[in-house]
Amino acid sequence: SQTIHQWPATLVQPVGSPLSLECTVEGTSNPNLYWYRQAAGRGLQLLFYSIGIDQISSEVPQNLSASRPQDRQFILSSKKLLLSDSGFYLCAWSVGYGGNQPQHFGDGTRLSIL
Amino acid sequence: AQKITQTQPGMFVQEKEAVTLDCTYDTSDQSYGLFWYKQPSSGEMIFLIYQGSYDEQNATEGRYSLNFQKARKSANLVISASQLGDSAMYFCAMGSENTGNQFYFGTGTSLTVIP
Repeated sequence: SQTIHQWPATLVQPVGSPLSLECTVEGTSNPNLYWYRQAAGRGLQLLFYSIGIDQISSEVPQNLSASRPQDRQFILSSKKLLLSDSGFYLCAWSVGYGGNQPQHFGDGTRLSIL
Repeated sequence: AQKITQTQPGMFVQEKEAVTLDCTYDTSDQSYGLFWYKQPSSGEMIFLIYQGSYDEQNATEGRYSLNFQKARKSANLVISASQLGDSAMYFCAMGSENTGNQFYFGTGTSLTVIP
């Protein structure tokens, strides 16, 4: 069966520090991968999605970037965090196209910027 | 443009009663899928149920059913026999042929089950 691992679960970082969040999927090949951010009490905002290695689409201009160095690995990074980067970050995977298969989510990372 | 609307910010239901969470969508695509997710306070997003636009029967998964009314563009989630563990945020989402791999999510409904 397929599983998704996301870490760390919580992170407290000072403003201006770098960031690296990692997500890996097991049990499937060539998944679509996604990074979302959820502000407190709000819905999900799609940040990046990837349909293959080194194929990344950015949905929201910001100081975050994403990379997919391996088929089942998706990394969210920043060189310098802002206060507004605080939130709950969720990684997800899917197969299929056009809304015919669900996205499956990791447990999320709670990021607090001080 | 694709859009998902959830008009109920918060709902309350008595334990063991049924509850309906509303979701309407807007799309000009013919082929699309509708999804419901549950997000407990711990944060993980749990996939509950899926309805394809060409499915003629309403989807059911255990105590969850999806009341799909295509002409009205609504996809309401019905939870039967509510349990205390059903207290959570619930999100409706849609993917379609022209959005490719992307989903659009609603703003969510907070459900509280009262003992």
